[in-house]
Amino acid sequence: KNEVEQSPQNLTAQEGEFITINCSYSVGISALHWLQQHPGGGIVSLFMLSSGKKKHGRLIATINIQEKHSSLHITASHPRDSAVYICAALFGSARQLTFGSGTQLTVLP
Amino acid sequence: DVKVTQSSRYLVKRTGEKVFLECVQDMDHENMFWYRQDPGLGLRLIYFSYDVKMKEKGDIPEGYSVSREKKERFSLILESASTNQTSMYLCASSLPPVSNQPQHFGDGTRLSIL
Repeated sequence: KNEVEQSPQNLTAQEGEFITINCSYSVGISALHWLQQHPGGGIVSLFMLSSGKKKHGRLIATINIQEKHSSLHITASHPRDSAVYICAALFGSARQLTFGSGTQLTVLP
Repeated sequence: DVKVTQSSRYLVKRTGEKVFLECVQDMDHENMFWYRQDPGLGLRLIYFSYDVKMKEKGDIPEGYSVSREKKERFSLILESASTNQTSMYLCASSLPPVSNQPQHFGDGTRLSIL
């Protein structure tokens, strides 16, 4: 069964801390997406990756294909980073993403 | 910038009503998606469309239908609304393929069925 698990479900950090959110999946994938959802509902695509590492500003996404695991890192966290972070996997030849249940991140000033 | 517009942010309907949720995108995207989002369950795909008049069932199509008569518009229809369809509904669009194209989301419609 195609499954995506995220951890932790909830994460509270102090401003400036380095943050890691984890995503593991059950079987081989062709792509993994990271998305951000702010209060009020709007969802923004952050990264799409199938191997290695991508970086955008203070955000870094990595993927380890052998271990079926991806991480999203936030350096020098800020209260504006508070949001729900969602990973989603495209399994094999599927044409639709399977989503994790999300990680609620709260960064305190 | 891609704009995906959902017709309502909040909607309240009664059980048994036929409910229409509309979504319009302005970037000529082939792919359009309807998801629902419930606490603890994440986003689940209801239907998606990869071209005009083309559609495929997602994970939870029961109780829903869709219509895509024009490329820019994708409608979700609740044939006879029930209380278990109270949820946040999100529309998205993208270019193909799903693997390496970002999905652009609307702001969502919070639907309550009384």
